[in-house]
Amino acid sequence: KNQVEQSPQSLIILEGKNCTLQCNYTVSPFSNLRWYKQDTGRGPVSLTIMTFSENTKSNGRYTATLDADTKQSSLHITASQLSDSASYICVVSQLAGGSYIPTFGRGTSLIVHP
Amino acid sequence: NAGVTQTPKFRILKIGQSMTLQCAQDMNHNYMYWYRQDPGMGLKLIYYSVGAGITDKGEVPNGYNVSRSTTEDFPLRLELAAPSQTSVYFCASSLSGTSYEQYFGPGTRLTVT
Repeated sequence: KNQVEQSPQSLIILEGKNCTLQCNYTVSPFSNLRWYKQDTGRGPVSLTIMTFSENTKSNGRYTATLDADTKQSSLHITASQLSDSASYICVVSQLAGGSYIPTFGRGTSLIVHP
Repeated sequence: NAGVTQTPKFRILKIGQSMTLQCAQDMNHNYMYWYRQDPGMGLKLIYYSVGAGITDKGEVPNGYNVSRSTTEDFPLRLELAAPSQTSVYFCASSLSGTSYEQYFGPGTRLTVT
């Protein structure tokens, strides 16, 4: 069964600190992996998209890595800000007979304190 | 350019009632999607469409129907609402397939009692 597991479930850090969120998946065949940021009460917003051949991608203070061999990804946030408080969701897409099958993780809830 | 819009924002339904959740996008995207997000759970794909007149089932399609008569609109129909359909529903769109960024609407919070 395709699964996407994220850790930790929740994380509290101080403003200005760095943090790393983890995503392990069993989705196969792999198409791509995305990280989303979801603020409370809003829809998810894409941070990065990575295909099989990409092992790192940055978007400002957000850097995602992908190890397709071990089926692991991480999202590193540098110099956190209060506005980084949100849920971060890892999504792995599978191509199955031309159909689009995404598997969403449950997300990591990040709280940044001043 | 409004992006992806959804109406209504909130709705309370009684068991057995029906309703249509509206979704529209003004980005001329070919692909549109409907997801549901239950508390503490990951989003699950209900239905998606790769273009006007073409729809396909996702992971959890039972109890829902969709249509795509235009590129812009992708309504989701709930027939005979059940408490298990209490959830937050998100519509999304993308220019093309899975390698393209998906843009999400603000969501519709539905409660069935």
